[in-house]
Amino acid sequence: NAGVIQTPRHKVTGKGQEATLWCEPISGHSAVFWYRQTIVQGLEFLTYFRNQAPIDDSGMPKERFSAQMPNQSHSTLKIQSTQPQDSAVYLCASSVGGAREQYFGPGTRLTVL
Amino acid sequence: GDSVTQTEGQVALSEEDFLTIHCNYSASGYPTLFWYVQYPGEGPQLLFRASRDKEKGSSRGFEATYDKGTTSFHLRKASVQESDSAVYYCALSDFGGSNAKLTFGKGTKLSVKS
Repeated sequence: NAGVIQTPRHKVTGKGQEATLWCEPISGHSAVFWYRQTIVQGLEFLTYFRNQAPIDDSGMPKERFSAQMPNQSHSTLKIQSTQPQDSAVYLCASSVGGAREQYFGPGTRLTVL
Repeated sequence: GDSVTQTEGQVALSEEDFLTIHCNYSASGYPTLFWYVQYPGEGPQLLFRASRDKEKGSSRGFEATYDKGTTSFHLRKASVQESDSAVYYCALSDFGGSNAKLTFGKGTKLSVKS
């Protein structure tokens, strides 16, 4: 079985540009999570979908960040006007249901110059 | 809000040494506790979980016991191997509150030399 797929694996943007990160959850999983990982802050929750509906976005920065799940096979995290402090590894995870084990993808390393 | 504290940022051991990584948590509800392991270039992967007081989780020789009284879930392994070198994360989720997000500790980097 393929695991969670994240593309691209690495992305470099200039300050002020837009970045879109893609996640393909494991087939049959109904919940998708996004996390951000940095050396300073560690692993932080961003947002969570269940059956494509947004459930909790309490970790999302209020400006410039947005996430969508237009169908059950992919989710996107979009960062507008990227800033150097947005540089991080963005991890996507999926689970069979909200209260079950989360399987993580390899992450997308975003570097903002 | 909920939080997880891992005391050790880095641990350096030799093969066959005993490992302890301390994890304490703070949560308003009755959380489920997890240990995850992360290798370079990969996402975290679940080692095991525990949902009730005194429940022991275990996998690959690692184990931890849920202790509600001391709000702890310390990771232990009797004899580490070089292949255990990785970053270990303690985490919690408050499923009872219908909130499935994971709250992670800062992580502990384990280095094992042969």
